[in-house]
Amino acid sequence: GAGVSQSPSNKVTEKGKDVELRCDPISGHTALYWYRQSLGQGLEFLIYFQGNSAPDKSGLPSDRFSAERTGGSVSTLTIQRTQQEDSAVYLCASSRQGLAGASAYEQYFGPGTRLTVT
Amino acid sequence: EDQVTQSPEALRLQEGESSSLNCSYTVSGLRGLFWYRQDPGKGPEFLFTLYSAGEEKEKERLKATLTKKESFLHITAPKPEDSATYLCAVNAGTASKLTFGTGTRLQVTL
Repeated sequence: GAGVSQSPSNKVTEKGKDVELRCDPISGHTALYWYRQSLGQGLEFLIYFQGNSAPDKSGLPSDRFSAERTGGSVSTLTIQRTQQEDSAVYLCASSRQGLAGASAYEQYFGPGTRLTVT
Repeated sequence: EDQVTQSPEALRLQEGESSSLNCSYTVSGLRGLFWYRQDPGKGPEFLFTLYSAGEEKEKERLKATLTKKESFLHITAPKPEDSATYLCAVNAGTASKLTFGTGTRLQVTL
């Protein structure tokens, strides 16, 4: 079946502009995650959704970052007033259930959005 | 705080030369250890989940094992198409997230 999709695949923006990144999870997956991968660094957790609510936002680096999920499906990550340090690959993942339950479910990743802030 | 350390950072093998990648972890209450493969410009691709010490899983030329402190990804008779970055991640305690290591970049040459 269809995997996780993300758009756009690449985004170049000027410093100070706002950007929106979109994620379409695997159909039926109730949990959705955003991660960031910077050059030479590991994946960094940003936020976790269970359904439309976000019980864990602990990884959002500043109040310029926000995310929402609607209809238990599509999610949008918004970065306001972008800075050069926001340049990274933003990865979305989904899983059958959240990891706070009894079992740890594998997460399936999308191809990512490469964000470049000039 | 959960910590994951992978070694070596990079590994170059000749085709057919078996080896192992290491993932050491420090967590409180492991719920699962995950191995992913990541090709350049793509998202991580799920390989294995291991839940408890002593567990092993295999897929083609790959075999993952788990102890209470570390996991190994054994690659038997690798082929050039096995070249990729291999990522290890853990989920522990009441956390929802995966904590990743920085990966091992594997290159297999003819």
